[in-house]
Amino acid sequence: GEDVEQSLFLSVREGDSSVINCTYTDSSSTYLYWYKQEPGAGLQLLTYIFSNMDMKQDQRLTVLLNKKDKHLSLRIADTQTGDSAIYFCAAIMFSGGYNKLIFGAGTRLAVHP
Amino acid sequence: GAGVSQSPSNKVTEKGKDVELRCDPISGHTALYWYRQSLGQGLEFLIYFQGNSAPDKSGLPSDRFSAERTGGSVSTLTIQRTQQEDSAVYLCASSLSYRETDTQYFGPGTRLTVL
Repeated sequence: GEDVEQSLFLSVREGDSSVINCTYTDSSSTYLYWYKQEPGAGLQLLTYIFSNMDMKQDQRLTVLLNKKDKHLSLRIADTQTGDSAIYFCAAIMFSGGYNKLIFGAGTRLAVHP
Repeated sequence: GAGVSQSPSNKVTEKGKDVELRCDPISGHTALYWYRQSLGQGLEFLIYFQGNSAPDKSGLPSDRFSAERTGGSVSTLTIQRTQQEDSAVYLCASSLSYRETDTQYFGPGTRLTVL
């Protein structure tokens, strides 16, 4: 089955770029996602990338996918204090006739002045 | 339009009691998922509904856990004889269908604390 791993913590200075990394094991995962969870809130979909792409940009967010190494990253440009949250990487796994999301443990991003 | 809603937002219960958690998916979404988020852990898949049927219950941690969905809409997750290890945030998500292109939208979760 799919296993998704992420580093647990990242601390950056306000205005710098943040890079959150993720690895997954199932090369058949066709979609990979980044979700954001703010304190006390549910998960908010940030962006996703299809496996036949190697990069996707959406305003301050850039997703890079290295399918050969099964490595996904999320870059946040000009990081702001409002970006402080837990970021979850997730991969689609097709099993039993339907798709389910397999999540990493989440990376807690702390932004300091 | 309205997103996924869950109730209660917080639930504190005593060990051994039964609890019911409710999820209202986005209107028109046929697929519904339950996940559990334990402290410091990622999200663990529990169960999936397509319409009212649950083709995969393999993620339920024990036979104390059950879930149902009626009318293709509201779902309840029931935990019987709660244990302290059941303490977690229970998240519900819905999507238009089961296709991989259908994004899962999450509710705010129910934080369950078992004393």
